[in-house]
Amino acid sequence: SYELTQPPSVSVSPGQTAKITCSGDALSKQYVSWYQQKRGQAPVVVIYKDTMRPSGIPERFSGSNSGTAVTLTISGAQAEDEAVYYCQSADSSYTFGDVVFGGGTTLTVL
Amino acid sequence: QVQLVESGGGLVKPGGSLRLSCSVSGFTFSDFYMSWIRQAPGKGLECLSYISASGKTIYYADSVKGRFTISRDNAKNSVFLQMTSLRAEDTAIYYCARAVIVPTASWFDPWGQGTLVTVSS
Repeated sequence: SYELTQPPSVSVSPGQTAKITCSGDALSKQYVSWYQQKRGQAPVVVIYKDTMRPSGIPERFSGSNSGTAVTLTISGAQAEDEAVYYCQSADSSYTFGDVVFGGGTTLTVL
Repeated sequence: QVQLVESGGGLVKPGGSLRLSCSVSGFTFSDFYMSWIRQAPGKGLECLSYISASGKTIYYADSVKGRFTISRDNAKNSVFLQMTSLRAEDTAIYYCARAVIVPTASWFDPWGQGTLVTVSS
């Protein structure tokens, strides 16, 4: 089955740039979305279609895709950005296929 | 304001059944795919099922295929998940989420607050 791989954890100091990667075989064929999940809360989409930022999401959140890996970048990370971040995409083998989430990356801002 | 409110979770014995509901407001429900996503305690996210706006296209993850059934009532702005033959490993928070599913992209926004399902004897 299709898998998305993320690092388990990333740590940055406040104000630094945090980069979280997500790798998978089909990333050149399927867009990726990113979700932020704070403790005890439901996930919230912060990036969709690789680079699109929903209204209400701060501009410091951005996404990029190199074809084999996608990256969520948080420029000037703040304490409030501490959360688990999940990438999500789909199996490209057919049009309406398996939706897959990465294992999640815990971002610590300290 | 877009709202999704899940209900129907609780404690059920292995082999039992449960029906989850998700009531939606704040957008034109009949225009959107809807989905159920779960999160086992301390674990990641798993997309279980989604259903198209008309109800004609339905997807199930292998882990629940044949045991869970998704449905929707566009007149009542609600989506449901009928769960049967429940197992201990089905214990999780179950989220309802509005979905966008197109040939090369998918995303889920927004999500409900979740309802906890515990399968235990």
